[in-house]
Amino acid sequence: GENVEQHPSTLSVQEGDSAVIKCTYSDSASNYFPWYKQELGKGPQLIIDIRSNVGEKKDQRIAVTLNKTAKHFSLHITETQPEDSAVYFCAASGTGNQFYFGTGTSLTVIP
Amino acid sequence: DVKVTQSSRYLVKRTGEKVFLECVQDMDHENMFWYRQDPGLGLRLIYFSYDVKMKEKGDIPEGYSVSREKKERFSLILESASTNQTSMYLCASSWSVGNQPQHFGDGTRLSIL
Repeated sequence: GENVEQHPSTLSVQEGDSAVIKCTYSDSASNYFPWYKQELGKGPQLIIDIRSNVGEKKDQRIAVTLNKTAKHFSLHITETQPEDSAVYFCAASGTGNQFYFGTGTSLTVIP
Repeated sequence: DVKVTQSSRYLVKRTGEKVFLECVQDMDHENMFWYRQDPGLGLRLIYFSYDVKMKEKGDIPEGYSVSREKKERFSLILESASTNQTSMYLCASSWSVGNQPQHFGDGTRLSIL
């Protein structure tokens, strides 16, 4: 089956700096890559996703890049704010509706 | 907005009890999922269902079963609860056509004493 690895497990940045979280996947058939943000006491919320026919997608301060050849994808958050502090999960999915999640990155934005 | 509602936020049960976790979604999604979330392990799929009365095992189905009698409702059952099933349980739902985002509830934190 698919194996998704996520790094780093924890990340601290100063407010206003950028944050980058990286994931790798093993199954070349995976073609959908969502990113979720989980705040304390809440379930994961989708923040951005990318499909394999696209190399980059941007939504305001958040962007995701995908390198299919190297089988890795990354989340970029620019101009970080304290409310960006949360746990972020990447996931990969192929044809079977099943998501394979990374182990999460705890992001702390220091005011 | 999609709403996935899990019936309990916190639950405390005893070893050996039969435990029911309930999940309801309001978007007429075909797919529903149960995950458990443990620190350092991410989200692991227990079971999923792609239609009423249909179910598929995920990566860690041992000790669990599920029931989907109505499209909007998906139940997770711990047949005989054990302490190693203490965890956060998350329910999700999605459309079935192609790859679609999964929408999550806020979770049930289950403690087995």
